Amino acid sequence: KQEVTQIPAALSVPEGENLVLNCSFTDSAIYNLQWFRQDPGKGLTSLLLIQSSQREQTSGRLNASLDKSSGRSTLYIAASQPGDSATYLCAVTGNQFYFGTGTSLTVIP
Amino acid sequence: KAGVTQTPRYLIKTRGQQVTLSCSPISGHRSVSWYQQTPGQGLQFLFEYFSETQRNKGNFPGRFSGRQFSNSRSEMNVSTLELGDSALYLCASSSNSGAAYEQYFGPGTRLTVT
Repeated sequence: KQEVTQIPAALSVPEGENLVLNCSFTDSAIYNLQWFRQDPGKGLTSLLLIQSSQREQTSGRLNASLDKSSGRSTLYIAASQPGDSATYLCAVTGNQFYFGTGTSLTVIP
Repeated sequence: KAGVTQTPRYLIKTRGQQVTLSCSPISGHRSVSWYQQTPGQGLQFLFEYFSETQRNKGNFPGRFSGRQFSNSRSEMNVSTLELGDSALYLCASSSNSGAAYEQYFGPGTRLTVT
């Protein structure tokens, strides 16, 4: 069974700092990997989708990379802002979605 | 284009009752998946429906069931509610069946069982 781990579980950084969130998975046979953002008590907002044949995707201040062979993905957030504070979840897709446990990010003004 | 909508947004039920949650996918999307999110277990896949047929099922007891209508709207039913069923229930829609397609999530239904 696919296991998805996210480290760290929580992260607190000052505004303006660049940061990296990590996601690792045990089975490299995936279709794609998706990063989501979840605000407290709310649903999930899709940030980036990386197909299994791709190495990275970029959207604004966000850049996600995928290394299938090592079972790892990173989400890079440049010049963090207080509005980036949320829980970030990665999900890998095989026969179904498998979610990580998330990283709770706090950006301090 | 309107996003995924879920009703109701909040629900309080008593142990032993049953509950039905509703999800309307993005227009044109034919796949709807359901997830349960709890602090202890995180996000767990319940099932996926496509063209009114259940295509995939997670590891949940038979008390959890669902269906999909011809307009792609989906309902999820939980019978004989237990305290542990308290959770945020999320649905997601995608254009086609299978986890390879990007999923778009609704705001969720917060179920509290007392």
